[in-house]
Amino acid sequence: EVQLVQSGGGLVQPGGSLKLSCAASGFTFSGSTMHWVRQASGKGLEWIGRIRIKANNYATTYGASVKGRFTISRDDSRNTAYLQMNGLKNEDTAVYYCSRSRLGIGDNWGQGTLVTVSS
Amino acid sequence: SYELTQPSSVSVSPGQTARITCSGDALPNQYAYWYQQKPGQAPVLVIYKDSERPSGIPERFSGSSSGTTVTLIISGVQAEDEADYYCQSADSSDPYPEVFGGGTKLTVL
Repeated sequence: EVQLVQSGGGLVQPGGSLKLSCAASGFTFSGSTMHWVRQASGKGLEWIGRIRIKANNYATTYGASVKGRFTISRDDSRNTAYLQMNGLKNEDTAVYYCSRSRLGIGDNWGQGTLVTVSS
Repeated sequence: SYELTQPSSVSVSPGQTARITCSGDALPNQYAYWYQQKPGQAPVLVIYKDSERPSGIPERFSGSSSGTTVTLIISGVQAEDEADYYCQSADSSDPYPEVFGGGTKLTVL
């Protein structure tokens, strides 16, 4: 069974940093592009970015609203993807999802983790 | 930045056909994907590559594409289909960032 288990959310002050983790099992993690998507309360889905596989040099691409502040990485030896968030703003408050790309960018999703940016 | 445009809401009676559109300039060159999301749950992929259906998704879900518009079609709508639906595609310029439409609330009357 494919599982994506997320951790690392919580409350952080504006300007602060937070790192989310997404631990994968049940599939060949090293062969899968991984994505991060967020959803503010009552709002739509927003694509944050992706990290490709080793064969594609672990290339990363980001959405405009987070480019330069957020960094996606992965550790294939630990079957885990990460989202490092720096310079957090109030508007970054959202539920953050990791997803596995196969047929689409979100064939499988993590359970979501809430990030709240507030003073 | 690239945008996909969906209607904010669609309403249908049970047993009728629901059509949800998604428009974007790059859609003639990029596949579209559709996700269903129910309250408090993660999204579920219901259509990929414009019109393909993943295993486990009911046959009443289908997709079509014409020019800059793609359409999610739900035939014989059931009460359980009430949800938010999001289209998703990619920009046509390298590095082809992904984008979601704003979402459509499907109400089953």
